[in-house]
Amino acid sequence: SQQGEEDPQALSIQEGENATMNCSYKTSINNLQWYRQNSGRGLVHLILIRSNEREKHSGRLRVTLDTSKKSSSLLITASRAADTASYFCATDEQGAQKLVFGQGTRLTINP
Amino acid sequence: DTAVSQTPKYLVTQMGNDKSIKCEQNLGHDTMYWYKQDSKKFLKIMFSYNNKELIINETVPNRFSPKSPDKAHLNLHINSLELGDSAVYFCASSPWGQYEQYFGPGTRLTVT
Repeated sequence: SQQGEEDPQALSIQEGENATMNCSYKTSINNLQWYRQNSGRGLVHLILIRSNEREKHSGRLRVTLDTSKKSSSLLITASRAADTASYFCATDEQGAQKLVFGQGTRLTINP
Repeated sequence: DTAVSQTPKYLVTQMGNDKSIKCEQNLGHDTMYWYKQDSKKFLKIMFSYNNKELIINETVPNRFSPKSPDKAHLNLHINSLELGDSAVYFCASSPWGQYEQYFGPGTRLTVT
């Protein structure tokens, strides 16, 4: 079953602006991860946030997690053309021994 | 020094044929996975193996048979290919315990 749902499905912004993507999920989780997929390539892990964490930073990435609302957001600051990709959230459901991926947000950074 | 590799990268075949996709990881991970990504980019797990033992079989038709000769390899054999099998198939690996997963470059399968 599909767990994560990303919003928006597509986002187009100008280089230098910030990009925010949201993810909602349905069940209790151990952790939530964000991945990036460039066109025609495999997924690359960006960041993992555990269920007892509320915010995490990695370079230009900021992830928040609200377990009461079962939602997460990924913020990319000072976007670059190279950030153009699809971004997926994935949840590690408690007891499920697997990651469940959302449908992804296609981000386009215009130069 | 590729971490997770898959062969072939592209596979075009006719309905009814049998084909295999190979995956190898050199990260020393215990767990390997097969995912299917459809035309809408929806990524769904098919199988996972931990140290050559099948852990997850996600209601995949039995035309799909994974084989793990050792913990560094997880191959996917598909019998009697159907049009609906057309997709991109990704192999991934991780340490046991659901930490971050490392993905291969994908195999684009086209069934005509």
